[in-house]
Amino acid sequence: KAGVTQTPRYLIKTRGQQVTLSCSPISGHRSVSWYQQTPGQGLQFLFEYFSETQRNKGNFPGRFSGRQFSNSRSEMNVSTLELGDSALYLCASSADRQNTEAFFGQGTRLTVV
Amino acid sequence: AQSVTQPDIHITVSEGASLELRCNYSYGATPYLFWYVQSPGQGLQLLLKYFSGDTLVQGIKGFEAEFKRSQSSFNLRKPSVHWSDAAEYFCAVGVNYKLSFGAGTTVTVRA
Repeated sequence: KAGVTQTPRYLIKTRGQQVTLSCSPISGHRSVSWYQQTPGQGLQFLFEYFSETQRNKGNFPGRFSGRQFSNSRSEMNVSTLELGDSALYLCASSADRQNTEAFFGQGTRLTVV
Repeated sequence: AQSVTQPDIHITVSEGASLELRCNYSYGATPYLFWYVQSPGQGLQLLLKYFSGDTLVQGIKGFEAEFKRSQSSFNLRKPSVHWSDAAEYFCAVGVNYKLSFGAGTTVTVRA
């Protein structure tokens, strides 16, 4: 069974641009969550989706958005990139409605210059 | 709001020695509790989890953790560390479909 797949693995963008990151969950998993990891702030929750519905959202500005498709694949978008958005973005999927066991992808390393 | 504290930023341990990583959480009820490990440049791998029941839980790679409600703690242990255990370890609380992580503990293993 394939794990959580995140694409691309690495990305370099310029300030002011926008970026879209993709996450394919483990087959059969309906919950997808996104996290941002930085040296200064650690791991922070962005949002969680289950069956295309956002059930929880972290404390991030509106420039950060996400969505989930009917096949459970998810994307997150960051508009008007800032230097501080440079981070490792991790996606996790879970099989159950209660999100009791999250499996993480290897992440997308975003560098904003 | 729930919070997770990992008091030790960095721990160095000799190969073959025992390891204990501390974790304290703050939450009104008993949340779901997790330990994850992250190797450089990699995602997070789940070591073990606690929801309810037996307070000593076994995980992968020879790790175990003990939940102590009175101390709001969920400490991770391994009796004999291998060089491959060098990594960063995160304790997490699961509430409302999200994980709240501690700051992490980096483990260095010396020969």
